[in-house]
This record gives sequence, C-alpha cells and structure tokens, in this order.
Amino acid sequence: KAGVTQTPRYLIKTRGQQVTLSCSPISGHRSVSWYQQTPGQGLQFLFEYFSETQRNKGNFPGRFSGRQFSNSRSEMNVSTLELGDSALYLCASSLTVSVQRAGANVLTFGAGSRLTVL
Amino acid sequence: QQQVKQSPQSLIVQKGGISIINCAYENTAFDYFPWYQQFPGKGPALLIAIRPDVSEKKEGRFTISFNKSAKQFSLHIMDSQPGDSATYFCAATPTGTASKLTFGTGTRLQVTL
Repeated sequence: KAGVTQTPRYLIKTRGQQVTLSCSPISGHRSVSWYQQTPGQGLQFLFEYFSETQRNKGNFPGRFSGRQFSNSRSEMNVSTLELGDSALYLCASSLTVSVQRAGANVLTFGAGSRLTVL
Repeated sequence: QQQVKQSPQSLIVQKGGISIINCAYENTAFDYFPWYQQFPGKGPALLIAIRPDVSEKKEGRFTISFNKSAKQFSLHIMDSQPGDSATYFCAATPTGTASKLTFGTGTRLQVTL
C-alpha cells in the first residue's frame, strides 16, 4: 500500500514568488492535513481538508491556501513568499476527521516538501 | 501560545536504558494524545496514542503514562536501542478535530552503545 506522496521534495524560491505543493494521500483516505515544520516553531497545523471542504484552519496568514480535489489529492499554495516561509511542509492523510472510531484516524505523514526561500 | 510543553529538548541514553520524555498541556479540551517518532528526512510516524480514560498504555517497549489531574503525560522507552535514536513529538487534540494536532517542541533522543 503506497504511503502519502508529496511533490516536489525540494525546491528553492525567491522572495515574492509563489509556490504550489502537492500531496497524494493513501488510497481511501479522505482527510488531508498540512503542517509546517521549522526549527524555531516546530510543527504547526496549517489546514485540513475533507471531501474537498476545508474543515479546520490554523493561525497562518491568508498567503497560505489549499484545496482538495475529488480524488482526495490536495495542493497548498503560498503566495508572496517571505524568508520565514522556509520550512518543511508536511502533508498527512487519514480516513476521517474524528477519533470517534478507534484507530480510524491515525495520521500518516508524507516525507515532506522542503522549501527554501532566498 | 504554546499549549503543549515538552521536555527535555535532547536526551542521551545508553543502550538498554530507559528513555523518558515528558509533556504537559493546558487546554482541557484536549482528549487524544499521540506520540510521533521522526527520523531525519522522514515525516513523523505515529508511535502510540492514549485517551484520558486510561492512565497507562503499553505497546511493546513503549509506554504512555497519563495524569489527567496534572495535565501531564509521558513516554517511556524501555530497553532503549540505537535504532530508537530519533526525534519524538508529543501532541494533543480535542476529539472531533483529530487532524488538528498541537505538537510539543520535540525531543531529540540519542541512544549510545
């Protein structure tokens, strides 16, 4: 069973540019979440999508956006890049959005997309 | 505002020893507490998780201890092995928003021979 696939794995951008990152969840998983990981701030929740709808959103500026397609694949976009956006962006997928069903909501993370902003 | 505090930041343990990582939370709405393990170049992977209706959960060499009144929980790694060398993150979330995890700052564990 294939895991969570994130592309690209590495990318370099300059300030002011925009970037789009892609995430293919595990087959059958309908929930996709995005996290930003930096040495200073650690792992921070960006947003979550379920059935093409944004269900939860973290405390990030509007420059950070995302979407989910009907096949559950997700993309996130960061516009007007800043130096501080340099980070590892992690995507995670799960069956549902809730832990109501024991074991149904294990988050499986991809290896991440490492973004460097120069 | 950091809602999950994790300590220590780094930990060196000899092979065969016990590794202990502690976390404390503030938000009383949290009721699902997973631990994640992350190796360099990889995403975090779920190690073990607990809900506050139990005080302890054990899976193999990994045990979570949970103290609801103190709002603290900890990970114990028994018989630590060099292959356990990784960064460990505690996390918490309310039921119903289980994908919106609040993570601790991480503990870098090194198990020496």
